[in-house]
Amino acid sequence: GENVEQHPSTLSVQEGDSAVIKCTYSDSASNYFPWYKQELGKGPQLIIDIRSNVGEKKDQRIAVTLNKTAKHFSLHITETQPEDSAVYFCAAKGGANNLFFGTGTRLTVIP
Amino acid sequence: DAMVIQNPRYQVTQFGKPVTLSCSQTLNHNVMYWYQQKSSQAPKLLFHYYDKDFNNEADTPDNFQSRRPNTSFCFLDIRSPGLGDAAMYLCATSRAKNNQPQHFGDGTRLSIL
Repeated sequence: GENVEQHPSTLSVQEGDSAVIKCTYSDSASNYFPWYKQELGKGPQLIIDIRSNVGEKKDQRIAVTLNKTAKHFSLHITETQPEDSAVYFCAAKGGANNLFFGTGTRLTVIP
Repeated sequence: DAMVIQNPRYQVTQFGKPVTLSCSQTLNHNVMYWYQQKSSQAPKLLFHYYDKDFNNEADTPDNFQSRRPNTSFCFLDIRSPGLGDAAMYLCATSRAKNNQPQHFGDGTRLSIL
């Protein structure tokens, strides 16, 4: 089955700096890669996703890149703000059509 | 406006006492999922419904069951909760199974006394 690894597990950045979270996956059949933001006491919220026919996607301060050859994808947040502080999960959808989540990254943006 | 609604947000039950968690959606999505999330871990899929077709994950414990009486509602039944079942339970929906975003509710935090 699919195995998704996510790094780092914790990340602290100064407000205004960029944050990068990286994930790798194992199943070459995976073709859908969403990113979720989870705030304390809430469910995961989809913030951006990318499909395998695209190498990069951007939505305002958030961008995701995908390298299918290397089987890795990354989340980039620019101009970070305190409200970006949360746990971020990457995920990959494999041939079984189930979402496989990474282990999460706790992002802290220091004002 | 909430599109995937879970009730209650917090549920306390006694060891071995059956409990039911509920989820409703206003998105008219075909697929509904139940996940278990323990502290500082990723959500773990328990099962999902594609319309009325039920799909159980291989490692989902037998005392976890689900019902989907109609498109909008889905229930998670835990027949005999153990201490290890204390967790956040998340419901999610998607329009279809293939490469469609999953939309999560805010979860029900289950505590076992």
